[in-house]
Amino acid sequence: QVQLVESGGGVVQPGKSLRLSCAASGFTFSDYAMHWVRQAPGKGLEWVAVMSFDGRNNYYADSVKGRFTISRDNSKNTLYLQMNSLRAEDTAVYYCARDWDGDKGDHWGQGTLVTVSS
Amino acid sequence: QSVLTQPPSVSAAPGQKVTISCSGSSSNIGNNYVSWYQQLPGTAPKLLIYDNNKRPSGIPDRFSGSKSGTSATLGITGLQTGDEADYYCGTWDNRLSAGWVFGGGTKLTVL
Repeated sequence: QVQLVESGGGVVQPGKSLRLSCAASGFTFSDYAMHWVRQAPGKGLEWVAVMSFDGRNNYYADSVKGRFTISRDNSKNTLYLQMNSLRAEDTAVYYCARDWDGDKGDHWGQGTLVTVSS
Repeated sequence: QSVLTQPPSVSAAPGQKVTISCSGSSSNIGNNYVSWYQQLPGTAPKLLIYDNNKRPSGIPDRFSGSKSGTSATLGITGLQTGDEADYYCGTWDNRLSAGWVFGGGTKLTVL
């Protein structure tokens, strides 16, 4: 069965960096675009970034553009999110999700919590 | 401020029916399919409805979706206490380079 497992979250000071990982299994990872979506405490879902199946194309929400970098290693079935210059407003649970037809996520990981605080 | 607009909360008694609305514009709902996600307390979102009115395998037919113009609706019949969750509508927005847009979420309380 499809499994997505995020890791790498934690407490980090403002201005610092953190890298999240999403390990995929149960499907052919290299066939699918992958997304990061976040959810601030008590808030709704916010799309963060997407990477194409082959890693050639990526897009970002304006709120993270220039600070976050999405990448993937298809040989390791893993998606990444490098987060630099972190701000308090980046505090959230970060989910990775598998893309289905471009407009929806059909499988989501359990999420990893990132807390940006001094 | 979410791109799509949902009511913050709805409630109904067990066994009853409830609907949740999702309003957008021509750049998102008006010209794209709508999905609905269920997020039970403390868990990740789960795809509930896709392509406006289709259910993934394993989703009971108590859940239904519809779309008209720039609005969509999620319907749940035969409410159960286990349906208490946050529900989000989502779609694609043609104004963006790529990526998904969501509603702010609706908290369903089964009284």
